[in-house]
Amino acid sequence: GQQLNQSPQSMFIQEGEDVSMNCTSSSIFNTWLWYKQDPGEGPVLLIALYKAGELTSNGRLTAQFGITRKDSFLNISASIPSDVGIYFCAGPSMNRDDKIIFGKGTRLHILP
Amino acid sequence: DVKVTQSSRYLVKRTGEKVFLECVQDMDHENMFWYRQDPGLGLRLIYFSYDVKMKEKGDIPEGYSVSREKKERFSLILESASTNQTSMYLCASSLFGPIPRWAGYQYFGPGTRLLVL
Repeated sequence: GQQLNQSPQSMFIQEGEDVSMNCTSSSIFNTWLWYKQDPGEGPVLLIALYKAGELTSNGRLTAQFGITRKDSFLNISASIPSDVGIYFCAGPSMNRDDKIIFGKGTRLHILP
Repeated sequence: DVKVTQSSRYLVKRTGEKVFLECVQDMDHENMFWYRQDPGLGLRLIYFSYDVKMKEKGDIPEGYSVSREKKERFSLILESASTNQTSMYLCASSLFGPIPRWAGYQYFGPGTRLLVL
């Protein structure tokens, strides 16, 4: 079935550093979604991408929809302590697009 | 402000007990979902419902059942809890439709952390 592979699985960075993470699939997605889960909470949608090549920002976050439609990238600039959490990429299933497939997540740790 | 609430944040049950996890949304969403989240495995879909009394199995339905008698409420039932069902359970809801712009916006509850002893 469709799968999303996220890398890295976890990251340890210094406060103030920029962060890059990505998500790949062997199948094409027509929509890419990025969610963030704060510790002890449910995931929240950060950015949605609808077109190949699209670059979208939300504050210090920027996400890109890969040209091949098989990958997406999320960048966080000038990280701050509240960026800690798990970042999930996701996309609609090709069988029914109200069913969302999630990657396993990238866990971000920020060192003081 | 949109809201998905789950009946308990933490729950401790014994092996063999019947467990009910309740989820309520106030956004008049058609779709509702139950996921479990385990370290290293991400979010795995257990069941979802696209209308009242309608349900579909997700990727890991074994050992679970669901009930949707009202649009706003979706219950997850563990008929006979086992230790391997110790996990974080997340409920979500979204609007229905073939348009990904709507369906992608899944709103999650805060989760229920279930421990089965």
